Amino acid sequence: NAGVTQTPKFQVLKTGQSMTLQCAQDMNHNSMYWYRQDPGMGLRLIYYSASEGTTDKGEVPNGYNVSRLNKREFSLRLESAAPSQTSVYFCASSEARGSPLHFGNGTRLTVT
Amino acid sequence: AQSVTQLGSHVSVSEGALVLLRCNYSSSVPPYLFWYVQYPNQGLQLLLKYTSAATLVKGINGFEAEFKKSETSFHLTKPSAHMSDAAEYFCAVSGGSSGGSNYKLTFGKGTLLTVNP
Repeated sequence: NAGVTQTPKFQVLKTGQSMTLQCAQDMNHNSMYWYRQDPGMGLRLIYYSASEGTTDKGEVPNGYNVSRLNKREFSLRLESAAPSQTSVYFCASSEARGSPLHFGNGTRLTVT
Repeated sequence: AQSVTQLGSHVSVSEGALVLLRCNYSSSVPPYLFWYVQYPNQGLQLLLKYTSAATLVKGINGFEAEFKKSETSFHLTKPSAHMSDAAEYFCAVSGGSSGGSNYKLTFGKGTLLTVNP
């Protein structure tokens, strides 16, 4: 039972490079989320998708774009990476409003 | 807007001692409240969830939390700490009313629990 799968697990980018973080869930969940985790800051919501076909900004959306490709997949794109985007990125999914989130194991991104 | 405050970024207890991790929230509507645990280099796992069915919620691994509306608190406790409980714990809140924004889960900054032998 895979749950939420994130790729890659690790990535190093140079400032200005672009990349896409991939996320897929096999639980038939409606809602999907991207969070970033930084020491002492907890988890902060970047973007979320309440249902297939919709996306909305979270707390820290600047510098990121997302695509809800289908019900299973929700990708996060960094168009021009900056050192401030060095972080651990978590994708999560939930069945419905108020349901618990199921998290992937994270992508550790370093921007030099 | 909703917010979560976790009192104490680091809590240290002895093995066998009571664990108490504090969480206060603010929400304009009756909330959904959660506690998650994160072990090193892993994602977050759900410990327990409050959904208004009962004020005392039991979770996995012997943890429980009590919802106190008058204090806007949802503190996490465990009677006897085990070495395997060492991890970071996050309290989170989401809104209880309809609307897209209430799909969002807002997290506290986390409390790192250390268990000493």
